[in-house]
Amino acid sequence: EVQLVESGGGLVQPGGSLRLACEASGFTFSSYWMSWVRQAPGKGLEWVANIKQDGSEQYYVDSVRGRFTISRDNAKNSLYLQMNSLRAEDAAVYYCVVWDHPKRAFDYWGQGTLVTVSS
Amino acid sequence: DIQMTQSPSSLSASVGDRVTITCRARQRISSDLNWYQQKPGKAPKLLIYAASSLQSGVPSRFSGSGSGTDFTLTISSLQPEDFATYYCQQSYSTPWTFGQGTKVEIK
Repeated sequence: EVQLVESGGGLVQPGGSLRLACEASGFTFSSYWMSWVRQAPGKGLEWVANIKQDGSEQYYVDSVRGRFTISRDNAKNSLYLQMNSLRAEDAAVYYCVVWDHPKRAFDYWGQGTLVTVSS
Repeated sequence: DIQMTQSPSSLSASVGDRVTITCRARQRISSDLNWYQQKPGKAPKLLIYAASSLQSGVPSRFSGSGSGTDFTLTISSLQPEDFATYYCQQSYSTPWTFGQGTKVEIK
């Protein structure tokens, strides 16, 4: 059974930093692209970032490029999102998601971790 | 960025009804269109990928169609567990973008 467990969310002040982590199990983590997708409270879904299987390629939505960094450790079956210079508009539930490249779809989702940005 | 627009934004339907949700892309996206279902407090779930392919384990009452700019998600006979919010998403080019969602409520 595929499991994705996010952690690291919490309350942070504007301008602050936070590092999210996602621990994966139940599938061959190193064989899949991985993504972060976020959802602001009561709002829709927004793709944030993707990373290739070996970490050699990363892609970001414009609104976070230069502030967020996606990375992975295949030895630990873990995905990360380093978030710097956080803004109020970054507040959301952040989901760790398996990107199925052949299907070109977000296949499996974690339960999400809530990031709140407020002073 | 490719803007995705869903209609309607919400609808009320009864158990057993046939429900259709439309998604329109601002530019042609071939068949690179996916549909997700999200229930309150839960993560989204993939229903349909590549416009019309049913994800494993998803009931056959769900179907998708379309290509180019216009796409449809159909639920042939609405069941109690189908009351949720549905999102379309294009995978034609980054940034991957979602529609604003369609909330299906009980009539």
